[in-house]
Amino acid sequence: SSELTQDPAVSVALGQTVRITCQGDSLRYYYAGWYQQRPGQAPVLVIYAKNNRPSGIPDRFSGSSSGNTASLTITGAQAEDEADYYCNSRDRSGNYVIFGGGTKLTVL
Amino acid sequence: QIQLVQSGAEVKKPGASVRVSCKASGYTFNTYGFSWVRQAPGQGLEWMGWISAYNGNTIYAQKFQGRVTLTTDTSTTTGDMQLRRLRSDDTAIYYCARDSGARPAVNAIDFWGQGTLVTVSS
Repeated sequence: SSELTQDPAVSVALGQTVRITCQGDSLRYYYAGWYQQRPGQAPVLVIYAKNNRPSGIPDRFSGSSSGNTASLTITGAQAEDEADYYCNSRDRSGNYVIFGGGTKLTVL
Repeated sequence: QIQLVQSGAEVKKPGASVRVSCKASGYTFNTYGFSWVRQAPGQGLEWMGWISAYNGNTIYAQKFQGRVTLTTDTSTTTGDMQLRRLRSDDTAIYYCARDSGARPAVNAIDFWGQGTLVTVSS
């Protein structure tokens, strides 16, 4: 399969915890990366290789994986976390990169 | 610090070609590669292809095979993306992003350029 599926929209109350999921067959074999994209800006990597945070990414962002599902969890969501979130991985062949359709996170 | 700085916005007519450049700095250029990703207005991210700055190997998404060419120049630490036979649905922001030099997305597509808007209109 060459698809990654994300919920189109998720909301969370300020300070609460939210999980954004990404499903796809290739996630059984390859790690997911997660990207945050604020309006009018380029994507920013927030999680890679299952649960690694690049320098400068707050520790409220974490990743996990089980079977064909990868998850991005934001513990204690802040107003500035309101953005679109995209997962990516490689397809089953390992040769091509695929992106999920994105999840719009609203912080209430 | 690591930076990827892309060339400016372009307006092209259908059937023309466009070249977008990506100047890299702040890291050892030939140990990485680039992935190119585009985003149509209001849409998600779409991967176009990958090139290794180490050995010039390329992998193109099947959708763009035959229409896109990726190149790198180690002397100027620049990557280029050329897209030919433009159509109106190629209107999008095009991003370069640092990737592994061995294979696409082996570790992470980590640093992104600011994006280049390409508008295709008659």
